[in-house]
Amino acid sequence: DAKTTQPNSMESNEEEPVHLPCNHSTISGTDYIHWYRQLPSQGPEYVIHGLTSNVNNRMASLAIAEDRKSSTLILHRATLRDAAVYYCILRNYQGAQKLVFGQGTRLTINP
Amino acid sequence: GAGVSQTPSNKVTEKGKYVELRCDPISGHTALYWYRQSLGQGPEFLIYFQGTGAADDSGLPNDRFFAVRPEGSVSTLKIQRTERGDSAVYLCASSLSGTSFDTQYFGPGTRLTVL
Repeated sequence: DAKTTQPNSMESNEEEPVHLPCNHSTISGTDYIHWYRQLPSQGPEYVIHGLTSNVNNRMASLAIAEDRKSSTLILHRATLRDAAVYYCILRNYQGAQKLVFGQGTRLTINP
Repeated sequence: GAGVSQTPSNKVTEKGKYVELRCDPISGHTALYWYRQSLGQGPEFLIYFQGTGAADDSGLPNDRFFAVRPEGSVSTLKIQRTERGDSAVYLCASSLSGTSFDTQYFGPGTRLTVL
């Protein structure tokens, strides 16, 4: 499985934008970039995914570099509820169904 | 609608005992996954079911771990002769059809403590 690298932790203030980086220099052409997050004492939940183009949904935006070797999850206005561990995961549509989690980025939101 | 549920939410047992952890997936989801999460780590894959059969059990750490899904819905993860190192949160997830594009929906987990 292709690997991803994320900072261990990040901190931001409430109502400010947050940019969570992910490096995936060994990504293959058939790997999709998925983000899940895990709120305290809960199971992970899906956030967003993309292949090449930037993606937006009600939760977040995903910006993908032109060479696809990195991506950034953007929370436009962070709330206290966004405090969680964020996981960047590569999923190959020809590959296994399992999710391969790294250690993720622990995001702290200050009031 | 109802999400993935797991019972019990907490289980404390003694070393050497047998435990069963239950997962109720979202109705209609054919794929079911078990993961294990140790403190401070990301979840680690254990086993994946497509319907009643285990399609990928490559993550089961040893033969003390076994999982079943006899009717293609509820699944039970069984751990024999528990060891202190088995202490972790056991997470269950389900998805609609099990393709690599499917979103996996996770339950809240069962926290297993082996004394």
